[in-house]
Parts: sequence; structure tokens; C-alpha cells
Amino acid sequence: KNEVEQSPQNLTAQEGEFITINCSYSVGISALHWLQQHPGGGIVSLFMLSSGKKKHGRLIATINIQEKHSSLHITASHPRDSAVYICAVDEYGNKLVFGAGTILRVKS
Amino acid sequence: EAGVTQFPSHSVIEKGQTVTLRCDPISGHDNLYWYRRVMGKEIKFLLHFVKESKQDESGMPNNRFLAERTGGTYSTLKVQPAELEDSGVYFCASSLTRMGRETQYFGPGTRLLVL
Repeated sequence: KNEVEQSPQNLTAQEGEFITINCSYSVGISALHWLQQHPGGGIVSLFMLSSGKKKHGRLIATINIQEKHSSLHITASHPRDSAVYICAVDEYGNKLVFGAGTILRVKS
Repeated sequence: EAGVTQFPSHSVIEKGQTVTLRCDPISGHDNLYWYRRVMGKEIKFLLHFVKESKQDESGMPNNRFLAERTGGTYSTLKVQPAELEDSGVYFCASSLTRMGRETQYFGPGTRLLVL
């Protein structure tokens, strides 16, 4: 069992829908990262969280350290949001442990 | 400011051959990381340089993989001899050590296919 579990694995949404991607982890961490990878593209860091909530545009990331759970929300989704979203945790050593990723497809 | 760059973007080689991947971190970043995603699996850590020193190489799969970072600038990852299971996408990331947690900036990856 991977130390970082994401759900769902695949998600298809209609343009405009509110989207939630979940991440649970089983180890102690110093920070959690949400990353985005477009098809054929590199990886972009969206958020780095150690507590609470962060917002950037239509993206919101939350983390509950006690429950070892984080969520990434996308409001008013758009086809350009279609990508793989990856949760990764930093186990106090700058060595990231990655989830398998969530493949998001937003249809117009 | 230029981001993390990787070369080549794609490489197709035959089993038994040697391949060298290169990563140029963001200028001034002391931390450099190598990661790998093999088909159908999650991305895995390979190793971490701080300047020219290997801080953590616990993720290197075996001694066919050799990473260097001469002078603490760019890094190379050599696979010799390559095996079929080495196929995947190799990502490099860099970060600047500062108080608190630092954001890692990822390169576009090198797609390696071993036939």
C-alpha cells in the first residue's frame, strides 16, 4: 500500500463544475505539495501546505494534519484544467513521496 | 528567470546501451533532485544533491545508475547498461535552501524508452 493515496483515480467533469480531489497519507510530514502535469508537459507546483488552507485563483488546497488528509478544489472548472493532479508529501527530508495522481478531464 | 531544463526530452535506446540524462537547475539553487515515473506507477524519488554532494541516494534502484553534479551546477544521470524496466519519465527538480520549507521546481522530464 502506497504511503500516499489519492482519490479518485479518474475524474470527468462538465465545464463549470466544482471539483474535489482527495489525498490521504500515512506518515508524518513536514509539508504536502499539490502538483499539476498537463499531457506531454512537465510538472508544475501548485501549492505547498503545512497547515490550513491556501487559495490561488480558482484553486483551493486544504490540509488537516490530525486527519492526515488534504483536498484540492477547483471552482468553475474549465477544459484547460484537464491534467493530472498529483499529491506529494515531504517526509522531513525534502524527499517527496508521491501519490499515483488523479487524471482530470473537463468537458466543454 | 529560466526554469529547470532537461535534455534530451526523449530518448529511445536498445537494451544494453548507455544513456546520459542532463538536468540544469534554476541558477543558484543548491538542491537538485532526480525522480522517476515508470509506466503505471507513481513518481519515485531517486536522489538528492546539495550542491555537489549526494545528500540522499536511497532511491537509486541499482548500481547501473550513476548520478553526478560536478561543480554543484548541472547534474547528469547515467544508466549503463540500460534495461527494459528502466523505461519511464525521469524528472529533475531544484530548490533553494531557506528557512522553512522550500518549493521544488520541476523540469519537463526526459522520456526514456528502452527497447
